[in-house]
Amino acid sequence: QQQVKQSPQSLIVQKGGISIINCAYENTAFDYFPWYQQFPGKGPALLIAIRPDVSEKKEGRFTISFNKSAKQFSLHIMDSQPGDSATYFCAASMETGANNLFFGTGTRLTVIP
Amino acid sequence: DGGITQSPKYLFRKEGQNVTLSCEQNLNHDAMYWYRQDPGQGLRLIYYSQIVNDFQKGDIAEGYSVSREKKESFPLTVTSAQKNPTAFYLCASRVDRGLTGELFFGEGSRLTVL
Repeated sequence: QQQVKQSPQSLIVQKGGISIINCAYENTAFDYFPWYQQFPGKGPALLIAIRPDVSEKKEGRFTISFNKSAKQFSLHIMDSQPGDSATYFCAASMETGANNLFFGTGTRLTVIP
Repeated sequence: DGGITQSPKYLFRKEGQNVTLSCEQNLNHDAMYWYRQDPGQGLRLIYYSQIVNDFQKGDIAEGYSVSREKKESFPLTVTSAQKNPTAFYLCASRVDRGLTGELFFGEGSRLTVL
């Protein structure tokens, strides 16, 4: 059972456009929601993360929007650039418990020049 | 530079053979993890270790084994019991045993079973 559901599976955006990736979860005990960026042949790297006490977090062109009541969060990439072309994973975890991050299935973003 | 080193980057194996993937970190992190990445399935946890000489099974541990004899090393053995071992394997570490905080990943090892 997928703990975190991510969509779309792939996304093509024109340079300068807005890329939006959505994630949903069921477990209300989750309290940490990071996004990881992975370039081909490389390991993922943390891009931005949010906790449920805020509804939005912005770092440069990247923004996480968080809707606690809907149990959804999304990544917005403003002014998308070809260098943003990568696979993006959302994830969720909880402070207690024996396991760690539950990852979404990933979104492959392609930004066309 | 501090980081996580995985080796080999590419590995080919015949069916029935065990292989060991190396993971070394010089970040002085307590916790280390092994993930498997398959197309369309995200990252799935195989094993994790929060302290030396201790490790726990993740979601897909069957057919894999690990050891944590040193803080900086967490090798993964893919045994012949693993039914579908062809995948991209990622090692990661975290500074402490807490479940939040940044995971640092290595560059991965791609295993192909012939």
